[in-house]
Amino acid sequence: EIVMTQSPASLSGSPGERVTLSCRASQSVTDNLAWYQQKPGQAPSLLVYGASARATGIPARFSGSGSGTEFTLTISSLQSEDFAVYFCQQYNNWPLTFGPGTKVDIK
Amino acid sequence: EVQLVESGGGLVQPGGSLRLSCSASGFTFRSYSMNWVRQAPGKGLEWVSFISSSGATIQYLDSVEGRFTISRDTAKNSLFLQMDSLRDEDTAVYYCARQLREGSGSSAIFASWGQGTLVTVSS
Repeated sequence: EIVMTQSPASLSGSPGERVTLSCRASQSVTDNLAWYQQKPGQAPSLLVYGASARATGIPARFSGSGSGTEFTLTISSLQSEDFAVYFCQQYNNWPLTFGPGTKVDIK
Repeated sequence: EVQLVESGGGLVQPGGSLRLSCSASGFTFRSYSMNWVRQAPGKGLEWVSFISSSGATIQYLDSVEGRFTISRDTAKNSLFLQMDSLRDEDTAVYYCARQLREGSGSSAIFASWGQGTLVTVSS
């Protein structure tokens, strides 16, 4: 099983701030990596897939990068609606696995 | 608009059974592979099971293999998860999730999610 880890577990940011979230895989997943956003009481929603491709309707302030075992999600300018939990997921191998999440809240 | 609506959750005793359903609309259901993903209260996401668009390929999380059965009914545009021998650790919100692209060989990217149904296993 590929174990996904994320750092930090939580971060506090101010509106307008640039933040970077990290995700690491225990073995290479090439670029088969997705990012999801989950707000309280809601289902997750897809942000990025293929490590760097934004899903339909996702603002350009969200960008993904990386390959192999190291990945990042960058929010270039935090907006109020971005405060949420972010999960990475690998889809290179079965079983599909998620990271534990990074909670982004307001400073 | 893609819509996925789960139902069938509830309170069940350890060792009991439940059958979850996911009603799909707004897309050609038979063309997309589907998944179940769960989230224990206050915890992260855990993939549970996959079924290809044709139904020919099925995958399970090891901890549910032999206890859970995924299936689909194209005529009813529905996805199912039969859960037997339930354990306390199966307590979670269960989401059905559609993959991003059509086809049995598409990557397991979860592009559309239902709102989930809560399963509570407790005596």
